[in-house]
Amino acid sequence: AQSVAQPEDQVNVAEGNPLTVKCTYSVSGNPYLFWYVQYPNRGLQFLLKYITGDNLVKGSYGFEAEFNKSQTSFHLKKPSALVSDSALYFCAVRAMYSSASKIIFGSGTRLSIRP
Amino acid sequence: GAGVSQSPSNKVTEKGKDVELRCDPISGHTALYWYRQSLGQGLEFLIYFQGNSAPDKSGLPSDRFSAERTGGSVSTLTIQRTQQEDSAVYLCASSLEGLGDEQFFGPGTRLTVL
Repeated sequence: AQSVAQPEDQVNVAEGNPLTVKCTYSVSGNPYLFWYVQYPNRGLQFLLKYITGDNLVKGSYGFEAEFNKSQTSFHLKKPSALVSDSALYFCAVRAMYSSASKIIFGSGTRLSIRP
Repeated sequence: GAGVSQSPSNKVTEKGKDVELRCDPISGHTALYWYRQSLGQGLEFLIYFQGNSAPDKSGLPSDRFSAERTGGSVSTLTIQRTQQEDSAVYLCASSLEGLGDEQFFGPGTRLTVL
C-alpha cells in the first residue's frame, strides 16, 4: 500500500534562513513524487516532481527537493525563505507502472516565515 | 478554458438531499481526479478517471458517492442523501495523461450540509 508521511504539522522559519519541509513515503516499486503548495484562498499549485534521473529536482519559486531512495524521503528545501513562501505544502506519491494507482497526498505542513 | 473550473463554488444543502458537483478539466487532459479536503485536513483521494473510465474508485467513501465522466471531458460527482460529515471542499484536478504528469487543480466546491 502507498503512503506518505509529513511528520511536521508546522514549520517556522525566519526570513532569509534556509527551510526544509520533510516528506517520507512508502510505495511498491519505484515512485513518482510531487510537491504542491496551497496559498491562502488560492488553489493547489504544482511545485516540482521527481520521476527519474537526477536526485535533486528544481522547481518553481526557488524550491528544490532531493530524492533519497535509501531513506525513502523527498524533502523540500529552499536556501533562503521569503515571507511570501508562507503556505500549506503537500507531498504526494504515486507508484510507477500501474495505470490504476492513485496518488496519495500527505497531511500537509504549514510553513510560516516570519519577517 | 485556461484552467480547471468547478461549479458551483459554494453549495449549502440540507441533510438527506442529493448534490451534484461539476468539473471542467483543461482541454486535452485525459486524466481527471476528485479529492476531498476537510477543514484543516489533507487531501483525500476519491476517484481517478482516464478518459471516461475509472481505473480506481477505491477512495469513494460509500455507495452514496458516485462519479461519471462523459466525452473524455466534463465530470460530475454526485452525493446522494447527504450527511453532515460530507461537508468539505471537493477538489477536481486534471493532468495530461501520464502517471508522472503534474495535476492542475480547480478552485474547489465548498459543500456545507446543514
